[in-house]
This record gives sequence, structure tokens and C-alpha cells, in this order.
Amino acid sequence: AQKITQTQPGMFVQEKEAVTLDCTYDTSDQSYGLFWYKQPSSGEMIFLIYQGSYDEQNATEGRYSLNFQKARKSANLVISASQLGDSAMYFCAMTRTEKLTFGTGTRLTIIP
Amino acid sequence: NAGVTQTPKFRILKIGQSMTLQCTQDMNHNYMYWYRQDPGMGLKLIYYSVGAGITDKGEVPNGYNVSRSTTEDFPLRLELAAPSQTSVYFCASTLSGVGGELFFGEGSRLTVL
Repeated sequence: AQKITQTQPGMFVQEKEAVTLDCTYDTSDQSYGLFWYKQPSSGEMIFLIYQGSYDEQNATEGRYSLNFQKARKSANLVISASQLGDSAMYFCAMTRTEKLTFGTGTRLTIIP
Repeated sequence: NAGVTQTPKFRILKIGQSMTLQCTQDMNHNYMYWYRQDPGMGLKLIYYSVGAGITDKGEVPNGYNVSRSTTEDFPLRLELAAPSQTSVYFCASTLSGVGGELFFGEGSRLTVL
């Protein structure tokens, strides 16, 4: 079975600093995908970034980048120049076939 | 551009009552999912479907049923509601299983008293 682990229940970061949210995964498959989603206090799920297991370069989307280390089975999310609006829950997720499995999330709070 | 639409957004049920959460998507996506999110937790997969007429269980299917008679609709049925089913329910869809962005509905908050 596939498993996603997010070991940081909560983080506090000063505004404008960079932040790294940790995510490790466990799978024996060669083909899989890794996602990060943001959930603000309003509750909706917002797609941030995707990395395929065969992608050689780390995915980037604006201020978001995914630090993909395949050998270590980690897929950390890096947010550069954090903003107050980045305060939210962040979920790492993995898809191996048709199912997407989520981690327990990290609550990020940006301090002005 | 409606995307994934869930109804109702809020509902209070009494123990033992039944109800159906509706989910419709207008993106012609083959894959549809139902997740539940308990307070402060991640999302757990209840049921999913890879196309009309095909459904399968996820991690936490007990107490729920689904059907997929059309590509667009994927209703979730709660039979004999229990307080443990108090949660926020998300419907989601994607075009392809691996690598496809999951599009979420806004969620349905269900309370069972």
C-alpha cells in the first residue's frame, strides 16, 4: 500500500522568508505522481504543483517548487518569499494508479 | 465554468437517518472520488469510480454507498447515519488517474446528532 508522511503538524514562518514543508512517501512502484494542495481556512482544496516520478527536473509553479529526491522518497514543497496569504493547511498527496492518497497535512502560519 | 458541484453545502442529520450527497462535474472527467475530512486531519478516500458503471471502495467505505450511472454524476449515499460520519465530504474528479490534477468541489459539511 502507498503511504504519505508529513511530519510537521505546524510551522510558523516570518513573512518574506522561504519555507520548506516536508513530505516523504512509500511505494514500490516506478510510476507515480506527487501533488501538493493548499487548504485555506475557507476550506476549499487548491492545487499547487505536480511532479511525475519520471520527471527529471523539479517542478516549479511561480513561488512554489517541489524538491523531488527520488532515492530518498521525498517530495518537499518550497515556498519562496512567503506571504500572509500563504497561511493555510498544506497536503502532500501521491497517486500510483487511479487513487490519490493524502498525508495528514502541515498547518503553516505566516507571521507579519 | 462550474467544475465540480456538490450539494448540499451543509446538513444536519439525526442518528439513523439517511441522505444522499450529490456531486456533478461538467468537465467530462472519467475519474471521480469521494473523500471525507475529519477535523484537523487529512482526506480519506471513501469510494471512487473510473467511469460510468464502475465503482470501487477506498480506505473507509463502511456506512456509505455510491453509484455512477452517468459520466457527470457520482452521488454518495449515507445509510443509517452515525455520529462517526460527522465530517466534511469532498467530491473530486480528474481526467486521468496518474498525473491528472484533481478538481475538488467546495465540500459538504455533515453533522450527525
